[in-house]
Amino acid sequence: ETGVTQTPRHLVMGMTNKKSLKCEQHLGHNAMYWYKQSAKKPLELMFVYNFKEQTENNSVPSRFSPECPNSSHLFLHLHTLQPEDSALYLCASSQRRSVAGESEQFFGPGTRLTVL
Amino acid sequence: LAKTTQPISMDSYEGQEVNITCSHNNIATNDYITWYQQFPSQGPRFIIQGYKTKVTNEVASLFIPADRKSSTLSLPRVSLSDTAVYYCLVGSNNNAGNMLTFGGGTRLMVKP
Repeated sequence: ETGVTQTPRHLVMGMTNKKSLKCEQHLGHNAMYWYKQSAKKPLELMFVYNFKEQTENNSVPSRFSPECPNSSHLFLHLHTLQPEDSALYLCASSQRRSVAGESEQFFGPGTRLTVL
Repeated sequence: LAKTTQPISMDSYEGQEVNITCSHNNIATNDYITWYQQFPSQGPRFIIQGYKTKVTNEVASLFIPADRKSSTLSLPRVSLSDTAVYYCLVGSNNNAGNMLTFGGGTRLMVKP
């Protein structure tokens, strides 16, 4: 138990569906992250939020829309996804935004997403 | 852009010491070196972090030479439960600002 929870743990959706992934951290951290982990690919950073403000967008397609209503919650809204978007989506948090990797990140268990 | 290079996989036996080396030739002055462990279907878990020389905690040691262009994670007396993917991570800068870069990781298989 890392103090970071994600729901749902598994999600199957069609290409025309709209769904949302939820992440919650109980650690009092100020920074939150979304990562994508595809099979046989390195972990890819998607978005970074610091004190509810988005600070990084790693050229992620607009069919992925993040939302951070407060420092404890992070959402990833999904719409018109493609089969190649099937992956494990991981949420993480850290005490402060890691500028040079100095702030330890705590990861949630991930959401296994399958797009049909 | 700081990029890391690690061996794709390593095999070991229970009770042995395992050393995994990561190359990061373009590491920036302010970058830290962090190692994470990931089991299947779980998120990565922090193992150890260092900036220079040697760092040791209850699970591992991290050796960083003076030029900081590489680092070595040392796992003493591994057990079957240490079978996992190990990621070397350094901070990096790109056009979008400061971001972290995970490499491909090293898949460690510990055998009985």
